[in-house]
Amino acid sequence: DGGITQSPKYLFRKEGQNVTLSCEQNLNHDAMYWYRQDPGQGLRLIYYSQIVNDFQKGDIAEGYSVSREKKESFPLTVTSAQKNPTAFYLCASNSGRALGTGELFFGEGSRLTVL
Amino acid sequence: SQQGEEDPQALSIQEGENATMNCSYKTSINNLQWYRQNSGRGLVHLILIRSNEREKHSGRLRVTLDTSKKSSSLLITASRAADTASYFCATVFNTNAGKSTFGDGTTLTVKP
Repeated sequence: DGGITQSPKYLFRKEGQNVTLSCEQNLNHDAMYWYRQDPGQGLRLIYYSQIVNDFQKGDIAEGYSVSREKKESFPLTVTSAQKNPTAFYLCASNSGRALGTGELFFGEGSRLTVL
Repeated sequence: SQQGEEDPQALSIQEGENATMNCSYKTSINNLQWYRQNSGRGLVHLILIRSNEREKHSGRLRVTLDTSKKSSSLLITASRAADTASYFCATVFNTNAGKSTFGDGTTLTVKP
């Protein structure tokens, strides 16, 4: 089945540790995104990538890093520099040929809790 | 902030009733999209409406767009308990490199 797979679904981290969230898609989409969602709130854009080996910061990129070595994969690393990392993280890809012209396809999310 | 803002924040109705949610935004858009999110899950795309369109339908969903008022509405007709979810509008602004900006959502509860 085509779609976006995020792993792990739940992740616990001690303060000071880096963690990496995986996002894989088999939809052949060029653009991929990472969003953060806090309880009762909407989504805020962390990073996005329009093509392989290229990515841009979103609205809340501080304390996060990404890579885009393959079209299918867009992993997100939450570093120890992120002061409040406990949140629900959502990865998405865009079906449109031009950025923003198509619909977003989302994974099921990864819930990160800092102990 | 450029983000869309949904209204109301929460809505509770009986099964069979219609549910209307509104979204307002501040600057010119390329398109506006509505998404649904069940608790603890990812978002699912419902409808995309472009800036030159005024109304779109999909099954029990009707979306309107009024660019002069910078607002959109999502109508769910004959609601079902399974429609219980959070609904978000996402706006793609002309000046924002095609990035989607989400509001805080409307939480809809449909009582059986």
